[in-house]
Amino acid sequence: KAGVTQTPRYLIKTRGQQVTLSCSPISGHRSVSWYQQTPGQGLQFLFEYFSETQRNKGNFPGRFSGRQFSNSRSEMNVSTLELGDSALYLCASSLSFQGGWYEQYFGPGTRLTVT
Amino acid sequence: AQSVAQPEDQVNVAEGNPLTVKCTYSVSGNPYLFWYVQYPNRGLQFLLKYITGDNLVKGSYGFEAEFNKSQTSFHLKKPSALVSDSALYFCAVRVSNTGTASKLTFGTGTRLQVTL
Repeated sequence: KAGVTQTPRYLIKTRGQQVTLSCSPISGHRSVSWYQQTPGQGLQFLFEYFSETQRNKGNFPGRFSGRQFSNSRSEMNVSTLELGDSALYLCASSLSFQGGWYEQYFGPGTRLTVT
Repeated sequence: AQSVAQPEDQVNVAEGNPLTVKCTYSVSGNPYLFWYVQYPNRGLQFLLKYITGDNLVKGSYGFEAEFNKSQTSFHLKKPSALVSDSALYFCAVRVSNTGTASKLTFGTGTRLQVTL
């Protein structure tokens, strides 16, 4: 079974631009979560989607947004990029978010560098 | 609010010796606890989880973890460490209330260094 895939793997953007990251979950998984990982802040939760609806949201500004499609694929968008947005963005999928006991399976991440 | 603490930034152990990576949590309600491992330039890999039942949970690669409700801890253990176990380990917690799960909250991570 194929794992979680994320595209692109690496991205360099300029301050003020916007970026869209893509995530394809494991087949059959309906929940997708996004995380930001930085050396200083560690792993920070961005949002979680299930059945095309945002179910949980972290403490990030409105510049960070996401969506999920009917095939469970997900995208996240960051507008008006700032230098501090440079990070590894991780996507994770799980069978469901209901109940909370399903483990999440992570993709390799997208390394975003903002210059 | 839920939180996870991993008090050690780094744990050093010799190959063949037992290892312990500590994790404590704080939640309102019954926790679901997870351990993940991250190798350099990779995403996180699931190791094991505690949902309910037996306090000793066995996972991948010979790892196990013990849930202690009174001490609100979920320490990761392995009887005999390997050099290949060297990686970054994350503890995470989630709670479920009336079927709706909270977000998954991660600790800050503990770097495990296993030497020959």
